[in-house]
Amino acid sequence: DGGITQSPKYLFRKEGQNVTLSCEQNLNHDAMYWYRQDPGQGLRLIYYSQIVNDFQKGDIAEGYSVSREKKESFPLTVTSAQKNPTAFYLCASSTAGELFFGEGSRLTVL
Amino acid sequence: GQQLNQSPQSMFIQEGEDVSMNCTSSSIFNTWLWYKQDPGEGPVLLIALYKAGELTSNGRLTAQFGITRKDSFLNISASIPSDVGIYFCAGRSGGSNYKLTFGKGTLLTVNP
Repeated sequence: DGGITQSPKYLFRKEGQNVTLSCEQNLNHDAMYWYRQDPGQGLRLIYYSQIVNDFQKGDIAEGYSVSREKKESFPLTVTSAQKNPTAFYLCASSTAGELFFGEGSRLTVL
Repeated sequence: GQQLNQSPQSMFIQEGEDVSMNCTSSSIFNTWLWYKQDPGEGPVLLIALYKAGELTSNGRLTAQFGITRKDSFLNISASIPSDVGIYFCAGRSGGSNYKLTFGKGTLLTVNP
């Protein structure tokens, strides 16, 4: 089936550790995105990439990093510089029109 | 940045009732999207709107692209328990082919 796969679904991390969230899509979409979701905050854009080897900061990029070495993959690293990393992270991809989401990864910092 | 105001923030209704929610923008959009999110899952696209004045249905759901291009409405008719979830609107302006602005969501609870 075509779609967007995020892993892991749940992740626990100790303070000071970096963690990488995986996002893979087989929809042949050019653009990919990472959003962060907190209760009552809606969806906030972290990074997005329109083509391979290119990406732009979103509204809340501090403490995060990404790479786009392949069209299908857009991993997100939550670094120790992110002061409040506990959240639900959503990956998405799109053509020029509609945005499609993965099932999300919930990161909890202990 | 662009602002999207989505209302109401939450709704409690009885099964069988109709529901209406809306989003308003401080700027003009050329695309409106409506999503539903179940707990612990990613949002699922319900309806996409591309033209001012457009009215589109998906089963019991109907959405409209406001004529001013600064608002959109979603209506759900004859609600059922599985309609429970968070509904998000999202808009895209002509200045960005890729970035969407999201509303903060409407939490819908349906009492059987």
